[in-house]
Amino acid sequence: GEDVEQSLFLSVREGDSSVINCTYTDSSSTYLYWYKQEPGAGLQLLTYIFSNMDMKQDQRLTVLLNKKDKHLSLRIADTQTGDSAIYFCAESSPDSNYQLIWGAGTKLIIKP
Amino acid sequence: GAGVSQSPSNKVTEKGKDVELRCDPISGHTALYWYRQSLGQGLEFLIYFQGNSAPDKSGLPSDRFSAERTGGSVSTLTIQRTQQEDSAVYLCASSFRELGGNEQFFGPGTRLTVL
Repeated sequence: GEDVEQSLFLSVREGDSSVINCTYTDSSSTYLYWYKQEPGAGLQLLTYIFSNMDMKQDQRLTVLLNKKDKHLSLRIADTQTGDSAIYFCAESSPDSNYQLIWGAGTKLIIKP
Repeated sequence: GAGVSQSPSNKVTEKGKDVELRCDPISGHTALYWYRQSLGQGLEFLIYFQGNSAPDKSGLPSDRFSAERTGGSVSTLTIQRTQQEDSAVYLCASSFRELGGNEQFFGPGTRLTVL
């Protein structure tokens, strides 16, 4: 079946940029998503990108999509302590009947 | 407006007992999903409803797990004869599933502890 992979942990200093990476195998992915899960809370959609786009920017968040390499990244500029969370990458495609295929999540750790 | 709600927020039960978890999706959302998240783990898909029917039950871990949805709205996930390995956070999500997109809105989850 299709797969989405992410590193389990990322540690950055407060004020630096964080880049969370994700790779996927489904070549027919149409939408790719980033969700955020804060401690003890449910998942919250941060942003998403349609597969015909290379980049999407929303305030401190920048999503880059390299469709050829099936690589998605989420850049958080000026990382703050409130950005501490687990970030999940997910993709959907017609082949999976638009079910979301989830990565395992990347825990972002902020160092003072 | 109101988001996805789940009840109870916490449930502690003894091994062998049955439990029922409830999910109230966002009004008008046609699709409803159940996931399980064990401590420190990612999301494990359990079951998906489109309206009242479940086209995809492939994630249910055993026949002790069942789910239903009535009136295209509220869903109940039932776990019979609970085991300790069932301990996890059970997350529900809903979406207005449309062609090409599937933005899912999540509830806060039910934390199940089986002693």
